[in-house]
Amino acid sequence: EAQVTQNPRYLITVTGKKLTVTCSQNMNHEYMSWYRQDPGLGLRQIYYSMNVEVTDKGDVPEGYKVSRKEKRNFPLILESPSPNQTSLYFCASSFAGRANTEAFFGQGTRLTVV
Amino acid sequence: DAKTTQPTSMDCAEGRAANLPCNHSTISGNEYVYWYRQIHSQGPQYIIHGLKNNETNEMASLIITEDRKSSTLILPHATLRDTAVYYCIVRGTGNQFYFGTGTSLTVIP
Repeated sequence: EAQVTQNPRYLITVTGKKLTVTCSQNMNHEYMSWYRQDPGLGLRQIYYSMNVEVTDKGDVPEGYKVSRKEKRNFPLILESPSPNQTSLYFCASSFAGRANTEAFFGQGTRLTVV
Repeated sequence: DAKTTQPTSMDCAEGRAANLPCNHSTISGNEYVYWYRQIHSQGPQYIIHGLKNNETNEMASLIITEDRKSSTLILPHATLRDTAVYYCIVRGTGNQFYFGTGTSLTVIP
């Protein structure tokens, strides 16, 4: 089954404690991205990757890092989380450069930073 | 990518057709219209997409006007499980999907 898998689904952490949210897809997609969703602001893109070893900033990259060492994985790293990063996070993947193919989204990670 | 305009909220009686409109007056010739929905806080779920012709799948139908400036998503027999936020997105060859605030559809028993 085609899917994007995020882990963990829920996470509560303290300010400053480094954390990683994993994302994996099984569709051989080149393009992967991370979004955060906050009430009233919709989904905003944090980082994206066009392919292995190619990453770039989205609309709200501050406080986040990513890596793309393998095609299937695209972890999101918070080196020093702060309360304003409390949010619902989604990973997505799709084929790159094809307007006629849909993106697949993970089930989300709800992060709370206290 | 072109912007879209959707009503903030809509209600629909269970078993009736839900017709969700979307305006995308600045759409260009190579841009597709996509529809996604988000149930509670789950991941956005793909519904359907089209370029200029009407499309139908097991979930919904997509009607695109001839000038492509607007479209309508039709859920033929709405159920309570169709209560969700529905997003209309216009996408070209750029890879990002731009989500607006969508239409909150409530299916009423």
